[in-house]
Amino acid sequence: DAGVIQSPRHEVTEMGQEVTLRCKPISGHDYLFWYRQTMMRGLELLIYFNNNVPIDDSGMPEDRFSAKMPNASFSTLKIQPSEPRDSAVYFCASSQDRGLSGTSTDTQYFGPGTRLTVL
Amino acid sequence: QKEVEQNSGPLSVPEGAIASLNCTYSDRGSQSFFWYRQYSGKSPELIMSIYSNGDKEDGRFTAQLNKASQYVSLLIRDSQPSDSATYLCAVNMEGNFNKFYFGSGTKLNVKP
Repeated sequence: DAGVIQSPRHEVTEMGQEVTLRCKPISGHDYLFWYRQTMMRGLELLIYFNNNVPIDDSGMPEDRFSAKMPNASFSTLKIQPSEPRDSAVYFCASSQDRGLSGTSTDTQYFGPGTRLTVL
Repeated sequence: QKEVEQNSGPLSVPEGAIASLNCTYSDRGSQSFFWYRQYSGKSPELIMSIYSNGDKEDGRFTAQLNKASQYVSLLIRDSQPSDSATYLCAVNMEGNFNKFYFGSGTKLNVKP
């Protein structure tokens, strides 16, 4: 499997511009997660989806952030307008649904991340 | 209090020694526990998962879980310079196998 794919890998933009980050989860995975990582705050969960439906967006910092998952193989995280404090590495991760058997299928697999710099 | 606490380090050990990394968590109902390794500039990658009290061994790695004391640890035997990385502890929240809290990570340096 190709693993979780993210694009772009690096993004440099100016304050006020719209930024769109993209993610393709591992095929067959039911859950998709967006995280943000900074030195100060560590790895923070922003939002996650189950079967393309947003389940918990309590980590989304403010209305400037939005995420969509139009189908099982694609998700976007959009920041509009972007601000310098949004500079971070944004990771997408995916996992399978935890089966009734109780086996460990809830492991999250991370993509390579997008390093966002807002000037 | 953070949901998951880790000593930020750096933890320095000589090559060949045992590195011991610790993590405490606040949600008594947590059931899934993970250790991820993250090299500088890279994404977190799974090292171990553990769900039951006791030890779980995988090669040079041993995860230890004590739910009563709410801590989980990772032992790395015969540490190698290539083990130098930041180790993240992740814990699910009660009732939700899929929502994780991550600790801030412990930076491990293995000196040749």
